[in-house]
Amino acid sequence: AQKITQTQPGMFVQEKEAVTLDCTYDTSDPSYGLFWYKQPSSGEMIFLIYQGSYDQQNATEGRYSLNFQKARKSANLVISASQLGDSAMYFCAMREESNTGKLIFGQGTTLQVKP
Amino acid sequence: DVKVTQSSRYLVKRTGEKVFLECVQDMDHENMFWYRQDPGLGLRLIYFSYDVKMKEKGDIPEGYSVSREKKERFSLILESASTNQTSMYLCASSPGQRFYGYTFGSGTRLTVV
Repeated sequence: AQKITQTQPGMFVQEKEAVTLDCTYDTSDPSYGLFWYKQPSSGEMIFLIYQGSYDQQNATEGRYSLNFQKARKSANLVISASQLGDSAMYFCAMREESNTGKLIFGQGTTLQVKP
Repeated sequence: DVKVTQSSRYLVKRTGEKVFLECVQDMDHENMFWYRQDPGLGLRLIYFSYDVKMKEKGDIPEGYSVSREKKERFSLILESASTNQTSMYLCASSPGQRFYGYTFGSGTRLTVV
């Protein structure tokens, strides 16, 4: 069964520094997609970045990059040059090709950026 | 701007009441989903629908039902609300194609007293 694990309930980072949020996954499907979402205190879920299992290069979107290590089944999110507005909860999620579009989420990591 | 709209931001209901949570999307998406979010547990899938009048159970369907009479609307029903259903409820939609992410509504924080 597919599973997503985020082992860091909370993280702190100094403003302007980089931070890595961990995510490991488990699946037997060779074709899958990995996502990261941001949830500010307002509650909305904001899509950040996507990585396909067959993508050769790590995904990047502005200050966000995904460190995809397929053999280790990890998909860590790297935020460069942290800003105060990055303080939020972050969720890793996975969708398997065989699984009718269901997105399965990890437990989330709360990130606090210190000034 | 594309949107998923949830009818209520905050809701307080009494134990035993029948509760309807409404979700509407304007993107012509085939798939719609209901999740609940609890601290330390992340988002858990309650029900989803990949077509009008179609529904499938997610991971935690007990105590809930859903209705999808029109493509744009997906309703979550708590048949007899209980205090353990106090939670944040998130609706989402996605196109039918593979590996598209979801668009989420802003959530309904339900308190059952």
